[in-house]
Amino acid sequence: DAKTTQPPSMDCAEGRAANLPCNHSTISGNEYVYWYRQIHSQGPQYIIHGLKNNETNEMASLIITEDRKSSTLILPHATLRDTAVYYCIVRGDNQFYFGTGTSLTVIP
Amino acid sequence: DTGVSQDPRHKITKRGQNVTFRCDPISEHNRLYWYRQTLGQGPEFLTYFQNEAQLEKSRLLSDRFSAERPKGSFSTLEIQRTEQGDSAMYLCASSPGMTGGAFFGQGTRLTVV
Repeated sequence: DAKTTQPPSMDCAEGRAANLPCNHSTISGNEYVYWYRQIHSQGPQYIIHGLKNNETNEMASLIITEDRKSSTLILPHATLRDTAVYYCIVRGDNQFYFGTGTSLTVIP
Repeated sequence: DTGVSQDPRHKITKRGQNVTFRCDPISEHNRLYWYRQTLGQGPEFLTYFQNEAQLEKSRLLSDRFSAERPKGSFSTLEIQRTEQGDSAMYLCASSPGMTGGAFFGQGTRLTVV
């Protein structure tokens, strides 16, 4: 059972920052937030994860609110290749619960 | 290539036949997961191994499904007496531990005709 809520779709202009929100109001204290993306017909690709602190890597930044009930994935300069379905996941016990994600379309 | 490898990439089978898929995880990843994904849906958890032990199975995993990881390395997923409803993408993932990200293979697309 997915523990997250995401908007079904979003658009972003090429070159602009894409900010993808996620609500996880029932998250437990020791549960991490993970983000994956999936390009059509490929396996999901790991992007980033975090517990409390904001995280940044070469792909994206993850901003987690202080109460940990929501987070935002930021793609700083979206390209056409970032068009994909983005999944926000709260890791429960031993498995990753995928919801239906946000379909991000980057527009030229 | 040091990523998760799945074989075959595509499989077409007749209803009632048995099929077996293989997953080779990233070396030294002790956790291995199987997921199933149908069109327009996110991946659904099927089962999970830590080393050779199968520690959790979803209720989605009917008696016709069985998974093994005999030596704690590669894993196989077998579906017996396939049904049309089994048509889906079967995804395998591995992770190095409890809090690390899981890395997915490209999946095996099964079509039951």
